[in-house]
Amino acid sequence: EPEVTQTPSHQVTQMGQEVILRCVPISNHLYFYWYRQILGQKVEFLVSFYNNEISEKSEIFDDQFSVERPDGSNFTLKIRSTKLEDSAMYFCASSERAGSQETQYFGPGTRLLVL
Amino acid sequence: AQKITQTQPGMFVQEKEAVTLDCTYDTSDPSYGLFWYKQPSSGEMIFLIYQGSYDQQNATEGRYSLNFQKARKSANLVISASQLGDSAMYFCAMREPLQGYQKVTFGTGTKLQVIP
Repeated sequence: EPEVTQTPSHQVTQMGQEVILRCVPISNHLYFYWYRQILGQKVEFLVSFYNNEISEKSEIFDDQFSVERPDGSNFTLKIRSTKLEDSAMYFCASSERAGSQETQYFGPGTRLLVL
Repeated sequence: AQKITQTQPGMFVQEKEAVTLDCTYDTSDPSYGLFWYKQPSSGEMIFLIYQGSYDQQNATEGRYSLNFQKARKSANLVISASQLGDSAMYFCAMREPLQGYQKVTFGTGTKLQVIP
């Protein structure tokens, strides 16, 4: 069964460094998303991406963050100058279509720890 | 106001018994989708079941069923014949066009522990 994959599974970085989290969405899906889950808290929406541009973003997704689809398969989240509070699990998700009735399928997550 | 409310931070259930995880939601949008996800201790987010606001029947998916009561704005997850592998966090979530049709809003989750 097709699934969303993410690399790396774990990432440790120093405060102020840049990190790139990678995702491979399900192949026939057109909509891509990033979510964040700080330890012990609920999952929060960051951004959605369609047709090579951001279609929606939350207030969390500030200038420190960027997303890109550099080729036909990968979807990346870049965090510039990481802060301690960026430590979280980051989930990539994808869906075939947009709309309230569409299921988003999540990847296994990347656990980011900023020291 | 919370969009998704899960009032049970933790639940215990005996193996092979059924368990209901509560979820209430708040929306003024007539068209919305409700989802349940399972998050084991390993951290991944696994889609379990979906209910559309216009669906006449309650959704079922194997041992999972969704008790959808639209007038009460509740979408409780029922797990029948619990197994040890069902021990996990369970998140109720909603997608509503008026709030940005792309994003899914999650509840705070319920931690389910299945006792042998």
